[in-house]
Amino acid sequence: DARVTQTPRHKVTEMGQEVTMRCQPILGHNTVFWYRQTMMQGLELLAYFRNRAPLDDSGMPKDRFSAEMPDATLATLKIQPSEPRDSAVYFCASGTEDEAFFGQGTRLTVV
Amino acid sequence: RKEVEQDPGPFNVPEGATVAFNCTYSNSASQSFFWYRQDCRKEPKLLMSVYSSGNEDGRFTAQLNRASQYISLLIRDSKLSDSATYLCVVVSGGSYIPTFGRGTSLIVHP
Repeated sequence: DARVTQTPRHKVTEMGQEVTMRCQPILGHNTVFWYRQTMMQGLELLAYFRNRAPLDDSGMPKDRFSAEMPDATLATLKIQPSEPRDSAVYFCASGTEDEAFFGQGTRLTVV
Repeated sequence: RKEVEQDPGPFNVPEGATVAFNCTYSNSASQSFFWYRQDCRKEPKLLMSVYSSGNEDGRFTAQLNRASQYISLLIRDSKLSDSATYLCVVVSGGSYIPTFGRGTSLIVHP
């Protein structure tokens, strides 16, 4: 049963530390999304890749966030330095035109 | 104005009730529409696509009104297991980027 895999599932870190979240998209999907979900804002798009090329990262704070796809089986989202306001659930999704499949998310708490 | 807007609820209904959610979108060039379901502390999952002609899947009916730029989801004979947050999703023409509403919370009680 194909699924999007995200690691870690939970992360607690201190303010100022670097955080790296990883995602393994479903094999064969050529689009990958990173979303952030908070109670206040709901699901916000951070970055979007198609065929590993970044197409839209306008929703991402550029000074501290970076997203990459070093190969077709791995997408990463990095925060450096992390801040308490970054606390949220970060979802990776891969998909087609008809459906986005979400990973289980990384629940990040920055203290 | 947000691109996709939903009433956050919660909608609190008894088992067996019929409940309807609406969602409005601002981009008239939007071309694909979906409803996703998200259970507490879980990831969103596709519930159904929304077609211009309307579509039905068991107790669930989705409809699209392009002229008024809204989509709807109707749930008949509500079950306890329908309790979740329902997310409206709009994909604008050419971008293939799903834009999510903030979701409508449904609580079905005995």
